[in-house]
Amino acid sequence: DIQMTQSPSSLSASVGDRVTITCRASQYIGNYLNWYQHKPGKVPNLLIYAASSLQSGAPSRFSGSVSGPDFTLTISSLQPEDFATYYCQQTSRTPVIFGQGTRVEIK
Amino acid sequence: QVHLVQSGAEVKNPGASVKVSCKAAGYTFTDYYIHWVRQAPGQGLEWMGWISPDTGGRIYETKFEGRVTMTTDTSNSTVYMELSKLRSDDTAVFYCARSGVGTGYFLDYWGQGTLVTVSS
Repeated sequence: DIQMTQSPSSLSASVGDRVTITCRASQYIGNYLNWYQHKPGKVPNLLIYAASSLQSGAPSRFSGSVSGPDFTLTISSLQPEDFATYYCQQTSRTPVIFGQGTRVEIK
Repeated sequence: QVHLVQSGAEVKNPGASVKVSCKAAGYTFTDYYIHWVRQAPGQGLEWMGWISPDTGGRIYETKFEGRVTMTTDTSNSTVYMELSKLRSDDTAVFYCARSGVGTGYFLDYWGQGTLVTVSS
């Protein structure tokens, strides 16, 4: 199975900060990598699909990129509503694997 | 407007089975897969498998093979996920979610979640 290593597991940041979260795939997955935001008591929300495509309705401060096996989610200027847990997900082949999650907290 | 509406919370004894439904609306039901994802308390998201309402084809995560059954009722645009031989560590919120077909899909609409509590 493909392993997804997501880092960091948590981070503290202030409103206005630039935040980056990384996922590394253990095997080649092309661009088949998605990012989700999940807030407590809410439903997961798709932010980025196919590594770098912004989902309709997602704020433009979210962006995705890929360099080799490393996929990055960037929040250009952290907003109060962005404090949540973020998950990467590979869908290159089954089993579909989510990363372990990155909890973004208020500093 | 796309909607996935799940059945309500359940409390089950260890060893029992639970069947959660996911009713789709607002799109052509047979054009998309339905996935099931769960989140145990304090844990991350865990993919369980998908089913094609069009063909009935399905893939389950190996961990759940032999315990999970996903079925579809196209006349009612509803997908069901049954998990048997429940254990306390199956306590979780279970979500259904929609994706396109083929490789590289993504989960763009989700149900509201169903809390399943396994306790004696």
